[in-house]
Amino acid sequence: GESVGLHLPTLSVQEGDNSIINCAYSNSASDYFIWYKQESGKGPQFIIDIRSNMDKRQGQRVTVLLNKTVKHLSLQIAATQPGDSAVYFCAEKGAGSYQLTFGKGTKLSVIP
Amino acid sequence: ETGVTQSPTHLIKTRGQQVTLRCSSQSGHNTVSWYQQALGQGPQFIFQYYREEENGRGNFPPRFSGLQFPNYSSELNVNALELDDSALYLCASSPGDLHTDTQYFGPGTRLTVL
Repeated sequence: GESVGLHLPTLSVQEGDNSIINCAYSNSASDYFIWYKQESGKGPQFIIDIRSNMDKRQGQRVTVLLNKTVKHLSLQIAATQPGDSAVYFCAEKGAGSYQLTFGKGTKLSVIP
Repeated sequence: ETGVTQSPTHLIKTRGQQVTLRCSSQSGHNTVSWYQQALGQGPQFIFQYYREEENGRGNFPPRFSGLQFPNYSSELNVNALELDDSALYLCASSPGDLHTDTQYFGPGTRLTVL
């Protein structure tokens, strides 16, 4: 069936470096994508989203890139901080669908 | 903070029992979705309610049911609990109308079934 997956289950970066978290999706009908950050014991926290009619969207210290040709989504975090340590999920939603479909998550560890 | 609250934070039940989990959305958020998150996995969609009616359901059996109330609160009910129902249960609300995509999650209820 259709699914959303992540290339790397864990990622360790030095504080101050940039982080890139990747995500592949298989549903060509997906028209909305969203990144969440989940800290231990907490619910997913919205980071940034993007629609399929866009290639790039920027927020505060974060950028999401969407490549529809290869069905790839990435989250870039600039100047990574210890507070960025968490599990990051990408999720997708198909046109006309009610649900968000999540991948398994990537754990980001920031080394002080 | 998302303004979405859930209760209780933790709950322990035994197999075969029934459980009710509660969620309170932000005022004006007409859509609420419930998700089940097993340990080490991403959230899995259970169902969604819009203006007190279920309008979408994931691959969960009928013993998972829900209610949404006019005061932006909602419930998830699970009957005949099984060991595999142990998980973090999340509710997420969306502002605006049915076609608003962004969902804001609450902190979740950790359910343990013994």
